[in-house]
Amino acid sequence: DAKTTQPPSMDCAEGRAANLPCNHSTISGNEYVYWYRQIHSQGPQYIIHGLKNNETNEMASLIITEDRKSSTLILPHATLRDTAVYYCIAGQTGANNLFFGTGTRLTVIP
Amino acid sequence: GAVVSQHPSWVICKSGTSVKIECRSLDFQATTMFWYRQFPKQSLMLMATSNEGSKATYEQGVEKDKFLINHASLTLSTLTVTSAHPEDSSFYICSASPWASGQFFGPGTRLTVL
Repeated sequence: DAKTTQPPSMDCAEGRAANLPCNHSTISGNEYVYWYRQIHSQGPQYIIHGLKNNETNEMASLIITEDRKSSTLILPHATLRDTAVYYCIAGQTGANNLFFGTGTRLTVIP
Repeated sequence: GAVVSQHPSWVICKSGTSVKIECRSLDFQATTMFWYRQFPKQSLMLMATSNEGSKATYEQGVEKDKFLINHASLTLSTLTVTSAHPEDSSFYICSASPWASGQFFGPGTRLTVL
């Protein structure tokens, strides 16, 4: 699996959009970009994933650059409950294990 | 969305005893499940891949005789930590994939070995 690079931490004001960047310059053509988050002492929660098109669901939007070397996860209106560690992972679909890096610790500030 | 459960959510045991952790896919079948371990302030580390009806595949450095994995059905995988010691205290998490998409994770099991 391709390695990803994320900033170790970010702060975001409550109600504002949180934009979390991720670099995956060595991503291969059949690897998707996955985003998960982990709230303290819980299992990772799936957020969104995409291959090359931008994606949006009820939780977030995923913007992938045209060359697929980087992406941004957008939480449109951050709440205090969005405080968590966010992991960006490049990997194949289905029954393939995912390699977790160190992620970005997002703190939403009141 | 797909739901994965784990039982127990936490367990405390004495050194030298064995502990079994269950991972269930509640609303889908999974021929493959994954077991991860997470130490405090660290990221998840893959321990092994559990395959229904066949032997598990262990990552380098993970002792297969210590961490026994059984995947007896399409909805259940178990991890048994044998002769547990304090250094095995950790947060154990399983995951499964219901379709050609992302994986879904269980809530985790916190093991404390005294």
